[in-house]
Amino acid sequence: GAGVSQSPSNKVTEKGKDVELRCDPISGHTALYWYRQRLGQGLEFLIYFQGNSAPDKSGLPSDRFSAERTGESVSTLTIQRTQQEDSAVYLCASSRVSGRAEEQYFGPGTRLTVT
Amino acid sequence: GENVEQHPSTLSVQEGDSAVIKCTYSDSASNYFPWYKQELGKRPQLIIDIRSNVGEKKDQRIAVTLNKTAKHFSLHITETQPEDSAVYFCAASGPRNQGGKLIFGQGTELSVKP
Repeated sequence: GAGVSQSPSNKVTEKGKDVELRCDPISGHTALYWYRQRLGQGLEFLIYFQGNSAPDKSGLPSDRFSAERTGESVSTLTIQRTQQEDSAVYLCASSRVSGRAEEQYFGPGTRLTVT
Repeated sequence: GENVEQHPSTLSVQEGDSAVIKCTYSDSASNYFPWYKQELGKRPQLIIDIRSNVGEKKDQRIAVTLNKTAKHFSLHITETQPEDSAVYFCAASGPRNQGGKLIFGQGTELSVKP
């Protein structure tokens, strides 16, 4: 079946503009995660949507970052007033169940460049 | 919160040799430890995982060992091949009340020279 998809694949924006990144998880997966990966770095946890429970927002680096998820489908990550340090690849992942750690399936990522 | 340290950051081996990557974690409540492989420009993909109720797991040329007392786990790749060249990430699950959240190490860039 279809894997996790993300759009756009690349985004170049000017400092101070807002951007919206989209993630389509695998159908039926109740858990969805967003990570940030700076060049040559590891995966930095941002936010975790777990079914009907409140999302875990503990990794969001500032109040310029927010995310939403519609039911068990699409999620959008919004970055307001972008800064150059926001430049990174933003990866989305989904897993079959919430509340239990198991394999996460990653999307191809969105490469964000803030000029 | 959970913290995961990964070593080494880079590793170069000759084809056919073994490679070992080590990770330590801080939260004794962590119970799930996956390893992901990320080839250049591609998405991370799970290669092997282990839960805290076992000490070792093997899948062909790769194996993972877990020492819960010392809070460390390792990835072992035997008979390395050039296609094993990639960045490898370890991860540990967060506390039980944080569900499926994973905390990742900083990655190890493995280079296998033919």
